[in-house]
Amino acid sequence: QQPVQSPQAVILREGEDAVINCSSSKALYSVHWYRQKHGEAPVFLMILLKGGEQKGHEKISASFNEKKQQSSLYLTASQLSYSGTYFCGTGFSNDYKLSFGAGTTVTVRA
Amino acid sequence: GAGVSQSPSNKVTEKGKDVELRCDPISGHTALYWYRQSLGQGLEFLIYFQGNSAPDKSGLPSDRFSAERTGGSVSTLTIQRTQQEDSAVYLCASTSNLGQHTGELFFGEGSRLTVL
Repeated sequence: QQPVQSPQAVILREGEDAVINCSSSKALYSVHWYRQKHGEAPVFLMILLKGGEQKGHEKISASFNEKKQQSSLYLTASQLSYSGTYFCGTGFSNDYKLSFGAGTTVTVRA
Repeated sequence: GAGVSQSPSNKVTEKGKDVELRCDPISGHTALYWYRQSLGQGLEFLIYFQGNSAPDKSGLPSDRFSAERTGGSVSTLTIQRTQQEDSAVYLCASTSNLGQHTGELFFGEGSRLTVL
């Protein structure tokens, strides 16, 4: 039940945009997004819940398509600080386990 | 401290030895997760504790792995008879959410285990 992330890696120049996708084979209840910089702990970016509620505190947006069982994270006008590995975590009804995808490595260059 | 604390930060052991990894969650957080991250890989779910409920152990890779959470706070992950494939960073995360994973997870810095 591990979600599938795409692409595996992306290289951007500062100011460019990127989209990271996260797909599930089961109906989703929630999607979490985290970013991990090399050698550090993953840090929370956003939660999207079934029904449309979103919780986050970064200038990064995301969408949650319940019908398609997928979420997308939008990196707009990327900054050098956006570099890192992005993980989506998926949660299902009646299941407290949060499963993470393999990650998408984002490199932003000056 | 205010964050999730894990110890040891680094552990090198010989194949066949037992190891214990400790996680001290944020005070008041009722839910606690253990994940394993092998080099360059994603986060592999191991086990989940929620309050006084029975833990979800469905991610433990073998019966050499076990975990407990005493008093609803500190958790210990034990790996018996370690193998080289156990080498990884073991991450602990806690959350105050009482519902279905609707709260953000706070991760510790991890315990890097190297089995020689």
